[in-house]
Amino acid sequence: GAVVSQHPSRVICKSGTSVKIECRSLDFQATTMFWYRQFPKQSLMLMATSNEGSKATYEQGVEKDKFLINHASLTLSTLTVTSAHPEDSSFYICSARVGTYNSPLHFGNGTRLTVT
Amino acid sequence: DAKTTQPTSMDCAEGRAANLPCNHSTISGNEYVYWYRQIHSQGPQYIIHGLKNNETNEMASLIITEDRKSSTLILPHATLRDTAVYYCIVRGGLNAGGTSYGKLTFGQGTILTVHP
Repeated sequence: GAVVSQHPSRVICKSGTSVKIECRSLDFQATTMFWYRQFPKQSLMLMATSNEGSKATYEQGVEKDKFLINHASLTLSTLTVTSAHPEDSSFYICSARVGTYNSPLHFGNGTRLTVT
Repeated sequence: DAKTTQPTSMDCAEGRAANLPCNHSTISGNEYVYWYRQIHSQGPQYIIHGLKNNETNEMASLIITEDRKSSTLILPHATLRDTAVYYCIVRGGLNAGGTSYGKLTFGQGTILTVHP
């Protein structure tokens, strides 16, 4: 089945530094990927839609200058958390759609970010 | 996209069928019903999806009522490893237009606990 790989699975960084998270589609090409964030005991919240070769579309309330998204190829999207603060500590999850518009999304295993 | 309502939690005995209900009374004609589950600290796992016909795969069955206002996910023989949060999501189809981009909007889901 379709596999979405996320790296790293866990990262700890100091406040003020930047962290890059990679999302790869291993056995298919993904023109669109989605980035979610999940705080403890809460549901997933969509942050942005990443489109290959164009600018990402951010959900309301998500700062595009803080969460930089690059989707430079059909198999790789990256999320960079810039100038991270403790409140950015969360579980970040990417997903990609396989096939047509109505096809299901497949998710990576997430990245646990802890900002100290 | 139409909103969904699910029970907060359910219990099921190991080996028995788990029937998870979902109400989506405002669903429109071109919206699909998707089911995902999330085991603690992992990314969501796709289970099944459908439009109006009942669907079955190796993981589960999806029963959609004739008026499409509700559906039930059936895990025929629940195991301890099926303990997870189950999300029922309704998403617009190809002609939904707007800015949906095929994204999935997660609610709070149902916490299913399978016990010995």
